[in-house]
Amino acid sequence: QKEVEQDPGPLSVPEGAIVSLNCTYSNSAFQYFMWYRQYSRKGPELLMYTYSSGNKEDGRFTAQVDKSSKYISLFIRDSQPSDSATYLCAMSADWNSGYALNFGKGTSLLVTP
Amino acid sequence: DAGVTQSPTHLIKTRGQQVTLRCSPKSGHDTVSWYQQALGQGPQFIFQYYEEEERQRGNFPDRFSGHQFPNYSSELNVNALWLGDSALYLCASSLGLPGDNEQFFGPGTRLTVL
Repeated sequence: QKEVEQDPGPLSVPEGAIVSLNCTYSNSAFQYFMWYRQYSRKGPELLMYTYSSGNKEDGRFTAQVDKSSKYISLFIRDSQPSDSATYLCAMSADWNSGYALNFGKGTSLLVTP
Repeated sequence: DAGVTQSPTHLIKTRGQQVTLRCSPKSGHDTVSWYQQALGQGPQFIFQYYEEEERQRGNFPDRFSGHQFPNYSSELNVNALWLGDSALYLCASSLGLPGDNEQFFGPGTRLTVL
């Protein structure tokens, strides 16, 4: 079993829809949780960064972390065609681990006009 | 303010050859991490350099080695290339401070091994 599980999709939604992306993990030492967006053949772009459990909102994006369930989510409101990309969840343990990021496989999202 | 830069953009090598990839971190960052991303997969952690030393290493063979220079830029070297090394190699930079784990990625170097 991989430490981080993420449904690869693809996920196709119409423009304006609310998108829900999620990951599960098995390592209870993970404390930092991130979502990256990656366009085809480009480097990942940091979208959301959270520490421990709770919610964080930034514009159209909301990240949720539930450490008790080992489950994290990213919600995208009013989705746009420009949101079409692969979304990667990533997480790391503490300073002693070097904060090495453990990634899911990524979910491919297509927002159609 | 330049973000993370990597060179070259693309590289084609043959089996058994050696390759060197380069990374310049985001201004103000002193920590560089390298990741390998195979097609259709998430990035895999190779190693991290902080204060010119390898601070943490992932599950990669000794054929993968690196270096960090006094200006915090870094190199990734891969010896004895084989077909399975074909991937997008990503560099991420961050501040080497406890409690700060925001890692910013460069555009990557796409390595093809024939």
